[in-house]
Amino acid sequence: DTEVTQTPKHLVMGMTNKKSLKCEQHMGHRAMYWYKQKAKKPPELMFVYSYEKLSINESVPSRFSPECPNSSLLNLHLHALQPEDSALYLCASSAQGANTEAFFGQGTRLTVV
Amino acid sequence: AQKVTQAQTEISVVEKEDVTLDCVYETRDTTYYLFWYKQPPSGELFFLIRRNSFDEQNEISGRYSWNFQKSTSSFNFTITASQVVDSAVYFCALSGTVQGAQKLVFGQGTRLTINP
Repeated sequence: DTEVTQTPKHLVMGMTNKKSLKCEQHMGHRAMYWYKQKAKKPPELMFVYSYEKLSINESVPSRFSPECPNSSLLNLHLHALQPEDSALYLCASSAQGANTEAFFGQGTRLTVV
Repeated sequence: AQKVTQAQTEISVVEKEDVTLDCVYETRDTTYYLFWYKQPPSGELFFLIRRNSFDEQNEISGRYSWNFQKSTSSFNFTITASQVVDSAVYFCALSGTVQGAQKLVFGQGTRLTINP
């Protein structure tokens, strides 16, 4: 099983809503990532979890709150987002180390209205 | 700081033509890793290849080949006899290790369109 599964695939939310993005992998990877990708731009790293602990926060606004409940799951809690937060949110996982390939999910296309 | 430059924003060719996607990188690390990923319209990124900084061997995989040259800090990707299914955005990426995990820095991407 080499899949990273993300739900939902599409999400429309208002600026006062609270929603969560979910990501699951069963490859035994102990590093999991959230990336944000705006249209026609490359993915940009948001958060990295290593062994279920947050190891990197790329100065992401607090309206984005990550959570790693266990080694297979990664959540991204959203609250009070702005329209400019509309983007494709990609989850990825990898084995430890810089020399391993990351496996990406299909992403959640988020629209904030 | 690490940086990846893909100067070609868009490339359009006719099927069966060969096409090369350029990638130039900057890093102060002596050990680093380079990757190519493919992103079709579905959004998912698919891993294509990894190359270590200390391994300058070129690689061929079917219709795909990669040319890594440390002297020019380049890691170019060639598709031979292109097919319509190769149409996608291709990203070159550079990786360093931060606290045991991977930190990928992507280039801007090259949108490749293969016309029938």
